[in-house]
Amino acid sequence: ETGVTQTPRHLVMGMTNKKSLKCEQHLGHNAMYWYKQSAKKPLELMFVYSLEERVENNSVPSRFSPECPNSSHLFLHLHTLQPEDSALYLCASSHDEVGYNEQFFGPGTRLTVL
Amino acid sequence: AQRVTQPEKLLSVFKGAPVELKCNYSYSGSPELFWYVQYSRQRLQLLLRHISRESIKGFTADLNKGETSFHLKKPFAQEEDSAMYYCALTVDRGSTLGRLYFGRGTQLTVWP
Repeated sequence: ETGVTQTPRHLVMGMTNKKSLKCEQHLGHNAMYWYKQSAKKPLELMFVYSLEERVENNSVPSRFSPECPNSSHLFLHLHTLQPEDSALYLCASSHDEVGYNEQFFGPGTRLTVL
Repeated sequence: AQRVTQPEKLLSVFKGAPVELKCNYSYSGSPELFWYVQYSRQRLQLLLRHISRESIKGFTADLNKGETSFHLKKPFAQEEDSAMYYCALTVDRGSTLGRLYFGRGTQLTVWP
């Protein structure tokens, strides 16, 4: 598949579970992003990675732990989440982290925390 | 702080009518503005950006620094324009770390 892919597309987890979201981009981009989209708030940037190094952590709770092993893959490790963390998590990539570049989004993972 | 406001959560027009989706921003410097669109069952994608001065699918948007607005316009709406539209702003500092600030989005419905 081309573009940005995300797995799983849907995830239901309990508050004590540990799970991971995966994002993969096939565009040759150097920057990758995690966003949170919840019903009552605008799309919120969580993390930015550029050339596999985290360049921004937007005050995200430590129960969210990102990992970028290479420029094509991005993970979001989840641990001890709260029900209010239920949201759509979007991954995006761009040529680099400079803001003028178009960001390409994945389809998202719909997360429900029970 | 940077902020993007889309005052209309929902907007409905009939096919062939003009449509304008409003976007206002707050930033004291020179921002770069974008419109992203999400069609039903599709992913979020870029529609147009101010820096390109382009018209995509008949849509245009003009940056008005005096009114701090970047409204999206189309003279004749089509049914396939029905989608969720997000206005976004970046405040690129130097050559690095541009990040996108999104508005809450406007759901446009074009009736036949």
